[in-house]
Amino acid sequence: DVKVTQSSRYLVKRTGEKVFLECVQDMDHENMFWYRQDPGLGLRLIYFSYDVKMKEKGDIPEGYSVSREKKERFSLILESASTNQTSMYLCASSPPGQGFHQPQHFGDGTRLSIL
Amino acid sequence: GNSVTQMEGPVTLSEEAFLTINCTYTATGYPSLFWYVQYPGEGLQLLLKATKADDKGSNKGFEATYRKETTSFHLEKGSVQVSDSAVYFCALKRNSGNTPLVFGKGTRLSVIA
Repeated sequence: DVKVTQSSRYLVKRTGEKVFLECVQDMDHENMFWYRQDPGLGLRLIYFSYDVKMKEKGDIPEGYSVSREKKERFSLILESASTNQTSMYLCASSPPGQGFHQPQHFGDGTRLSIL
Repeated sequence: GNSVTQMEGPVTLSEEAFLTINCTYTATGYPSLFWYVQYPGEGLQLLLKATKADDKGSNKGFEATYRKETTSFHLEKGSVQVSDSAVYFCALKRNSGNTPLVFGKGTRLSVIA
């Protein structure tokens, strides 16, 4: 089974801090994704990556950046955390594009609170 | 652009009731369609999928049929259980290029005994 592991289930940080959310997958997937999930808004794509050192903006990249130095790891960075970034963050991975019918596999999420 | 519209919840049903959660989509070409489920405190899990018109995906008693003529992928289950209480997401993926899933906003289902 594919395993996508997010480093923290719960995280509390302060406004203005730099926050790192880590995600690791064990299936050698090329594609990795970061979403945030908010009530009434569903899942919104922040950033995704198709390969090491590659990244693409999703629908709501403002205030975030990402890092993909190794294939199995995809980090989401909040450069200067703000209270409107309090949310559930979900990481996902999937095989490459030619497997277009392949689903994304999700981690259990990190519930981040910014005080 | 590509989008997914789901019926708004919450949906509350008694155990053994019939479930339908509506999902319609807008997409260029012929996407693959998915239903994901999120149990309390967990991430999303793939429930079922269909990759072409008239395909039926099924899993754990849930079914959904890819209807190209109505651009729909409604989720159904004949007899729900308390353990089916969760949030259900409909999603599509374009069948060209390397593109992320596009999700609906989710429908919360509560099943009461």
